[in-house]
Amino acid sequence: SQTIHQWPATLVQPVGSPLSLECTVEGTSNPNLYWYRQAAGRGLQLLFYSVGIGQISSEVPQNLSASRPQDRQFILSSKKLLLSDSGFYLCAWRRTSGNEQFFGPGTRLTVL
Amino acid sequence: AQKITQTQPGMFVQEKEAVTLDCTYDTSDQSYGLFWYKQPSSGEMIFLIYQGSYDEQNATEGRYSLNFQKARKSANLVISASQLGDSAMYFCAMNERGSTLGRLYFGRGTQLTVWP
Repeated sequence: SQTIHQWPATLVQPVGSPLSLECTVEGTSNPNLYWYRQAAGRGLQLLFYSVGIGQISSEVPQNLSASRPQDRQFILSSKKLLLSDSGFYLCAWRRTSGNEQFFGPGTRLTVL
Repeated sequence: AQKITQTQPGMFVQEKEAVTLDCTYDTSDQSYGLFWYKQPSSGEMIFLIYQGSYDEQNATEGRYSLNFQKARKSANLVISASQLGDSAMYFCAMNERGSTLGRLYFGRGTQLTVWP
């Protein structure tokens, strides 16, 4: 069976500090991968998606970047965090030929 | 324009009763998919049910069913025999087959509370 992991689960960072959130998927190969952000009390906003190693597309211009160094690893980064980067970050995967997206447990980021 | 609209910020239902959560969508694509996800307080998004735009039958998964009315562009979730564990945030989502590789558009969600 497939599983998706995210870490850390929670993070408190000062403004201006760097960020690295990691997502890994097990039990499948060549998945489509997605990073979403959920602000408090809101729906999810797609940030990045990837169809393969090194292939990243951004949906929203912002302070964040993403990378996919391995087939089942997706990393969300920032060089300098802003207060507005606070939120709940969710990674998701989908089979190339599938419909459903399956989400990880999420990372709750607070920027102070 | 909003692609997914959920007009009920909160809903309350008594245990063992059925409840309907509303969702309307906006798309000009002929081929699309509709989804419902459950988000408990832990934050994880749990996939519940999927309906393809060409599916003639309404999707069902256990106690969940999707009332798909294509002409009205609605995709309401029906939960039968509610349980206390159903209390959570519920999100309706859509993807358009012609757009970005399965990207999902989400509504703002409905907070469901099941009381004993």
